[in-house]
Amino acid sequence: AQTVTQSQPEMSVQEAETVTLSCTYDTSESNYYLFWYKQPPSRQMILVIRQEAYKQQNATENRFSVNFQKAAKSFSLKISDSQLGDTAMYFCAFMKLTIRNQFYFGTGTSLTVIP
Amino acid sequence: ETGVTQTPRHLVMGMTNKKSLKCEQHLGHNAMYWYKQSAKKPLELMFVYNFKEQTENNSVPSRFSPECPNSSHLFLHLHTLQPEDSALYLCASSHDPGQGFWAFFGQGTRLTVV
Repeated sequence: AQTVTQSQPEMSVQEAETVTLSCTYDTSESNYYLFWYKQPPSRQMILVIRQEAYKQQNATENRFSVNFQKAAKSFSLKISDSQLGDTAMYFCAFMKLTIRNQFYFGTGTSLTVIP
Repeated sequence: ETGVTQTPRHLVMGMTNKKSLKCEQHLGHNAMYWYKQSAKKPLELMFVYNFKEQTENNSVPSRFSPECPNSSHLFLHLHTLQPEDSALYLCASSHDPGQGFWAFFGQGTRLTVV
C-alpha cells in the first residue's frame, strides 16, 4: 500500500517570504507521479505542480518549486514570494502508473500567509 | 474553474432520505472519481470509473451507490446515511489512467447528515 505523510498540519509565512511544505511517501513502486494540490476556501482542489519520478530535475512552476529526493522518498514544496492568495490547504499526492488510476493523498497542510 | 462541476454545493439530509450528488465534466476525460474528504484525514478514494466501467470500489458501504451513465457524468446516490457520513464529497476526472495525467477536481458537495 502507498502512504503519504504531511507532518505539518499548519504553517504560516509572512507575505513575500519563502516557505517550504514537507511531504514523505512510502512505496515499492519505481515509477510514479507526485503532485501538490492547493485547496483554497472555495474548496476546489487545484493542481500546483507535478513531478515524474523518473525525472531527476526538480519541477518548477513560477513561484512554486519542489525538492524531490527519490531515495529518501521526500517531496517538499517551496513557495517563494508568498502572496495572500496562497493561503489554502496544500495536499501532497502520489499516483502509481497502473491501469487503475489511484491517487493517494496526505492529510494536508494549512498554510496562512500573513500580511 | 477547472471544468468539473458538482451539484448541489451543499446538502442537508436526514438519515432516512434518499438524495443524489451529480458531477459533470466536459474536458474529454475518460476517468471519473468520487472522493470523501473529512477533517484531518487524507482524501479517501471511494469509486473510480474508467470509460464508464467501475474499476475501483474501495470497500464503500452499500448506502453509497455510484452511477456513471456516460464519460461526462457521474452520480453518487445516497440512502439511509449515518451522521459519520457527513463530509465534503469531491468529484474528479482525468485522462487515461496510468499515463500520469493529473486529476481535475470539482468544488465538492458539503453533505450534512442529521
